[in-house]
Amino acid sequence: DAKTTQPPSMDCAEGRAANLPCNHSTISGNEYVYWYRQIHSQGPQYIIHGLKNNETNEMASLIITEDRKSSTLILPHATLRDTAVYYCIVREGKLIFGQGTELSVKP
Amino acid sequence: DTGVSQDPRHKITKRGQNVTFRCDPISEHNRLYWYRQTLGQGPEFLTYFQNEAQLEKSRLLSDRFSAERPKGSFSTLEIQRTEQGDSAMYLCASSLGGAGVAYNEQFFGPGTRLTVL
Repeated sequence: DAKTTQPPSMDCAEGRAANLPCNHSTISGNEYVYWYRQIHSQGPQYIIHGLKNNETNEMASLIITEDRKSSTLILPHATLRDTAVYYCIVREGKLIFGQGTELSVKP
Repeated sequence: DTGVSQDPRHKITKRGQNVTFRCDPISEHNRLYWYRQTLGQGPEFLTYFQNEAQLEKSRLLSDRFSAERPKGSFSTLEIQRTEQGDSAMYLCASSLGGAGVAYNEQFFGPGTRLTVL
């Protein structure tokens, strides 16, 4: 299983973009990059996924480097409700969660 | 509500007792997963089913744990002779999976919080 490395915590000002990095240097060619988040006391919530190309949906954008060894999740206009633990996962089938990044959005 | 549901949401039990949790996945999803999450940690995979077949079990799933999905719909997770170390949040997720499904977005339920006294 490809391992991921994320910073344990980050702060972001409300209304600003939150950029959450993830390293996955051992990713294999057919493995997708998934991002989930977990708001306190809730189950994880899917955000976005990608394989090679950059992706955008109503929640976030995902930027994957050309060598696929790292990616960045971008929340373009962070709100207080985006405060959560964000997990970057590289795996087919079952999800292997790491420690994630605890994002605190501050007013 | 057509999301994943879990019952009960909270369970307090005494050490040595048996407990059973239920998960109802999204109806058209053929895959169902169980995870366990302890305080301050990310969820850990326990087992998953494709339809009624249990395809993978983690080494975390000791002999005291058993999971079933008898008709390929809802699933139950039973813990026998509970121990204090079993105290955790037990999460269920479902997804579409198999040939022709290129990725694997999982939808999680709210979890069952187990406290073993």
